[in-house]
Amino acid sequence: AQTVTQSQPEMSVQEAETVTLSCTYDTSENNYYLFWYKQPPSRQMILVIRQEAYKQQNATENRFSVNFQKAAKSFSLKISDSQLGDTAMYFCAFMKHEDGGSQGNLIFGKGTKLSVKP
Amino acid sequence: KAGVTQTPRYLIKTRGQQVTLSCSPISGHRSVSWYQQTPGQGLQFLFEYFSETQRNKGNFPGRFSGRQFSNSRSEMNVSTLELGDSALYLCASSRRDPQVGHTFGSGTRLTVV
Repeated sequence: AQTVTQSQPEMSVQEAETVTLSCTYDTSENNYYLFWYKQPPSRQMILVIRQEAYKQQNATENRFSVNFQKAAKSFSLKISDSQLGDTAMYFCAFMKHEDGGSQGNLIFGKGTKLSVKP
Repeated sequence: KAGVTQTPRYLIKTRGQQVTLSCSPISGHRSVSWYQQTPGQGLQFLFEYFSETQRNKGNFPGRFSGRQFSNSRSEMNVSTLELGDSALYLCASSRRDPQVGHTFGSGTRLTVV
């Protein structure tokens, strides 16, 4: 069974600074996908960034980037130039590849509560 | 385009009752998944439907069930409610491409008293 671990229950960062959220996972699968989701107080889970395990290049989306270390089973999220609107719960999630192009289910970590301070 | 719509947003039920939650996916999305979110257990997968067929099921008792209609809308039902069923229930829809990821709704907050 796959597991996802986020070791930082809470973090804070000053506005405009950089912060890194940690995530490790355990799996025997070779083909899978990793995601970071953000959940603000509005409750809606919003996809921040995704990474295919077969791609060595780290994914980047504007101020968000990941450090994907497949051998170490590590998938950290870096937020640059933090903004007040980045305040939210951040969840790391794993999904194994399913044959036929179907969607597998997401396995989530417990989350990291990020507070961006002015 | 419209996002994933979940109704109702809030619900209060009495122990022993049953409840039905609704989810309308993004147009064109044929896969609908349901997740339960609680402070203690975090986010847990309930089940996934694709083209009206349940394709995946999490580790929940048979009191939790769901279905999907021909227009891809989905409902989940919880019978004989227990206090521990109080949670945020999130629905997510997706296309066939796994790497795209899921789009979530804002959830239904269920409180069992």
